[in-house]
Amino acid sequence: SQTIHQWPATLVQPVGSPLSLECTVEGTSNPNLYWYRQAAGRGLQLLFYSVGIGQISSEVPQNLSASRPQDRQFILSSKKLLLSDSGFYLCAWKRQGSIETQYFGPGTRLLVL
Amino acid sequence: AQSVTQLDSQVPVFEEAPVELRCNYSSSVSVYLFWYVQYPNQGLQLLLKYLSGSTLVESINGFEAEFNKSQTSFHLRKPSVHISDTAEYFCAVSETRQGGKLIFGQGTELSVKP
Repeated sequence: SQTIHQWPATLVQPVGSPLSLECTVEGTSNPNLYWYRQAAGRGLQLLFYSVGIGQISSEVPQNLSASRPQDRQFILSSKKLLLSDSGFYLCAWKRQGSIETQYFGPGTRLLVL
Repeated sequence: AQSVTQLDSQVPVFEEAPVELRCNYSSSVSVYLFWYVQYPNQGLQLLLKYLSGSTLVESINGFEAEFNKSQTSFHLRKPSVHISDTAEYFCAVSETRQGGKLIFGQGTELSVKP
């Protein structure tokens, strides 16, 4: 069976500090991978998605970047965090070329102070 | 482009009462429709989905949703809710083409009170 992991689960960072959130998927190969941000009362916003190693599509201009160094690893980064980067970050995967649904990880709660 | 509107941000109900969470979408192409549930401090879990066939779809825990193409709606219903149903519920759509991205509504917070 497939599983998706995210870490850390919770993170408190000062404004201006760097960020690295990691997501890994097990039990499948060549998945589509997604990063979402959930801000309070604002639903889910798709930030990045990837259809393969080194292939990243950005949905919204922002202070964040994403990378996919390995097939089942997806990293969300920032060089300098802003207060507005606070939120709940969710990683998701879907089988390549499939119409099936996306499966979500447990999320990382980020608080920027 | 698609969009999803969840008309109610919060729905408080008493235990064993019926509930309906409303979802409307707009799209110029065919779509698939989903309901996800998020329990406190957790990720999203798929509750049910409509891909094709019968317009009424059901989940294993008693929820159902009906795809209404003419009204572009996919409302979620349960005839009798439990305390454990307290969670946030998200409606989502994606294009039927391969690789279509999920577009989420703003979410509805269901609060079930004893």
